[in-house]
Amino acid sequence: AQTVTQSQPEMSVQEAETVTLSCTYDTSESDYYLFWYKQPPSRQMILVIRQEAYKQQNATENRFSVNFQKAAKSFSLKISDSQLGDAAMYFCAYTLPGYALNFGKGTSLLVTP
Amino acid sequence: DSGVTQTPKHLITATGQRVTLRCSPRSGDLSVYWYQQSLDQGLQFLIQYYNGEERAKGNILERFSAQQFPDLHSELNLSSLELGDSALYFCASSVASGTSTDTQYFGPGTRLTVL
Repeated sequence: AQTVTQSQPEMSVQEAETVTLSCTYDTSESDYYLFWYKQPPSRQMILVIRQEAYKQQNATENRFSVNFQKAAKSFSLKISDSQLGDAAMYFCAYTLPGYALNFGKGTSLLVTP
Repeated sequence: DSGVTQTPKHLITATGQRVTLRCSPRSGDLSVYWYQQSLDQGLQFLIQYYNGEERAKGNILERFSAQQFPDLHSELNLSSLELGDSALYFCASSVASGTSTDTQYFGPGTRLTVL
């Protein structure tokens, strides 16, 4: 079974600073996808970024980027120039193509002025 | 707005009752997934339908069932409700083609409270 581990239950960052959220996963598959979802207080699940395992290049979406280390099975999320609106629960997730997501337990991110 | 709709937004009911949650996927998406988010269990996959057929099952109780209709909307039926069934239930949809464009988009969720 595939497992996803987020070892940081809570993180804090000041506005305009950079923060990195950690995620590790366990799988014996070679073709899979990794995701970061954001869940703000509204509880809506919002896709932040996606990484295909076959791609060596790290994904980037504006202020959000990942550090994907396939051999180490590590998938961290870096948020640059943090904003108050980034405060949320962040979930790392793993999936095989066409199948359900396996989620980590989440990291609660607090952004302070 | 993800394009995935769920109704109702909130549901309050009593133990032993039965409820139905409804989900309409994004246009063009063939697959629907149901997830349960509770405080103690986190986000758990319940069941997946693809083009009307059940494709995969997760941690779904026997008291729960689902189906996907010809127009691709899906319903999750929860029966003999217990206090522990109180949770946020999400529906997500994707193309489920197994390609790099296969990303799941989530609806706003249905918050179920069992009293």
